[in-house]
Amino acid sequence: DGGITQSPKYLFRKEGQNVTLSCEQNLNHDAMYWYRQDPGQGLRLIYYSQIVNDFQKGDIAEGYSVSREKKESFPLTVTSAQKNPTAFYLCATNHFRGQETQYFGPGTRLLVL
Amino acid sequence: KQEVTQIPAALSVPEGENLVLNCSFTDSAIYNLQWFRQDPGKGLTSLLLIQSSQREQTSGRLNASLDKSSGRSTLYIAASQPGDSATYLCAVRPGGTSYGKLTFGQGTILTVHP
Repeated sequence: DGGITQSPKYLFRKEGQNVTLSCEQNLNHDAMYWYRQDPGQGLRLIYYSQIVNDFQKGDIAEGYSVSREKKESFPLTVTSAQKNPTAFYLCATNHFRGQETQYFGPGTRLLVL
Repeated sequence: KQEVTQIPAALSVPEGENLVLNCSFTDSAIYNLQWFRQDPGKGLTSLLLIQSSQREQTSGRLNASLDKSSGRSTLYIAASQPGDSATYLCAVRPGGTSYGKLTFGQGTILTVHP
């Protein structure tokens, strides 16, 4: 069963706490992305990675961190420096050839307690 | 900086009607344009991808057109059904080295009522 999995589906963060969102894929795609979606808005790029052990900041990277130690995994950490973390977080992948569409995971909704 | 705008923000139509969703972008130097569907609380599903050299793509009742020079794309849905109710997003990928960095519009919320 191929695809992209994100966990957990819902995540609650206390003030001052770091939390990590998981994204795993078995599509053998090279590139992986993290987007943030706020109500009534489109998606905004947080971080992306084209190959293992390399990643780049997107448009709204402040307060977030990532790692890419394995091709299949691209976890996103929301740090305490992110003052407005409540949002829907989407992970996406595609081949490192450019022409193909991006495939999206089911998303994680992060809420602040 | 690329900006993508979708009009209308919301649309409500009776079942069976043909409809058009609009997407405009400010920088015509794009690599491709994609239309996605998003159901409430879910991820995005790709509907159609148009390369910059193409004028249109079709899949079933969906037809997407691209006019790169004018910075516009339309998504045409024929014979709409209640199951088409969702948010539709367009996204452009820039040309050059900005690989994979899609810029999204805010989406059009479509409701098809029986």
